[in-house]
Amino acid sequence: SQQGEEDPQALSIQEGENATMNCSYKTSINNLQWYRQNSGRGLVHLILIRSNEREKHSGRLRVTLDTSKKSSSLLITASRAADTASYFCATDPNTGNQFYFGTGTSLTVIP
Amino acid sequence: DAGVTQSPTHLIKTRGQQVTLRCSPKSGHDTVSWYQQALGQGPQFIFQYYEEEERQRGNFPDRFSGHQFPNYSSELNVNALLLGDSALYLCASSLNGLYGYTFGSGTRLTVV
Repeated sequence: SQQGEEDPQALSIQEGENATMNCSYKTSINNLQWYRQNSGRGLVHLILIRSNEREKHSGRLRVTLDTSKKSSSLLITASRAADTASYFCATDPNTGNQFYFGTGTSLTVIP
Repeated sequence: DAGVTQSPTHLIKTRGQQVTLRCSPKSGHDTVSWYQQALGQGPQFIFQYYEEEERQRGNFPDRFSGHQFPNYSSELNVNALLLGDSALYLCASSLNGLYGYTFGSGTRLTVV
């Protein structure tokens, strides 16, 4: 399966702390994306990192990509209660047409 | 600028029935993908439409079919519904598969 796998499955932190979640995948990719999902609703695109990039920032988000280890990490700094959601990585294995999602990390930020 | 619009938001059907879900892509987008998300799982790719044709298909049976109209909107049809078809169905649009996709809020289908 080309599906990504997020780790940990669940994470609970205090507001203000940093949250780190990881994604591993099995095949070569064109790019990797991170999405957020609140309470089983639609997915919100957070950030896209291409296979030739190693790190990318967007506001309080920092994403790294290590293609040699087939892994990525998403860091959310200074977390807020509003960051409580499920986070998914999605890999694009060079087709540009089909994304493979992992099972997600459920993040709870305690006020 | 409207995002991706899906209808209906919730739907209850009986096993064996047929269902049609609808999606209007974000303005300026021409590609529509459909995903199925079972409870507690990540989304699974069903198929993608571009230029009114199915461009790629995931591992779903022929009971799942779709259509894209000239205005880029799309429908997902599921025939002979099974209990296991109960899920959140997500539509995502993009500009020819480039950059990130914009997802709709989904249609929650319950098969009883």
